[in-house]
Amino acid sequence: DTEVTQTPKHLVMGMTNKKSLKCEQHMGHRAMYWYKQKAKKPPELMFVYSYEKLSINESVPSRFSPECPNSSLLNLHLHALQPEDSALYLCASQGGGGPPNEQFFGPGTRLTVL
Amino acid sequence: GDSVTQMEGPVTLSEEAFLTINCTYTATGYPSLFWYVQYPGEGLQLLLKATKADDKGSNKGFEATYRKETTSFHLEKGSVQVSDSAVYFCALTNTNAGKSTFGDGTTLTVKP
Repeated sequence: DTEVTQTPKHLVMGMTNKKSLKCEQHMGHRAMYWYKQKAKKPPELMFVYSYEKLSINESVPSRFSPECPNSSLLNLHLHALQPEDSALYLCASQGGGGPPNEQFFGPGTRLTVL
Repeated sequence: GDSVTQMEGPVTLSEEAFLTINCTYTATGYPSLFWYVQYPGEGLQLLLKATKADDKGSNKGFEATYRKETTSFHLEKGSVQVSDSAVYFCALTNTNAGKSTFGDGTTLTVKP
């Protein structure tokens, strides 16, 4: 299984809502990533988890809260978002060992903040 | 820091035309280089990769060679199809579980 799955596919939320994005992989990868992607732009790194520990936080506002409950799952908790947070949120995973490896991306969650 | 510069787009070609998308990079260490493709409404997919100098990555008729002397990783395809229409990202990665650097992306449209 070389797939990264993400749910939900689409999400519309108000600025006072709390919601969560979910990501799952069963490739045994120990590095997992959250990216934000605006239209026609490259992905922007938000967070990296390595062996279930947060290793990189790219100065992301606290209204985004990541969580890695186990080696297969990654969540992104959302609270009090702003309309400018509307974007495609991508999860990715990466295997270790040897030279730097490719990332496996999920299909993304299209988030709209009203 | 690391950087990736991609040929500006968009690129529009007729079916069966030859494709080149230029990519140059600056990096410390010994990065791996990648081309990812993103179709509308989807996530990024790995198209091809090269992990050391002079390696050639290839997949689905696309090729790219890791040129350390010119710090380049240009993407080529001899005969494009309408189904190749997508956004193409050049990227480099210096370490696993680290930060990857992406180019700005090149939008390719292939007309029948």
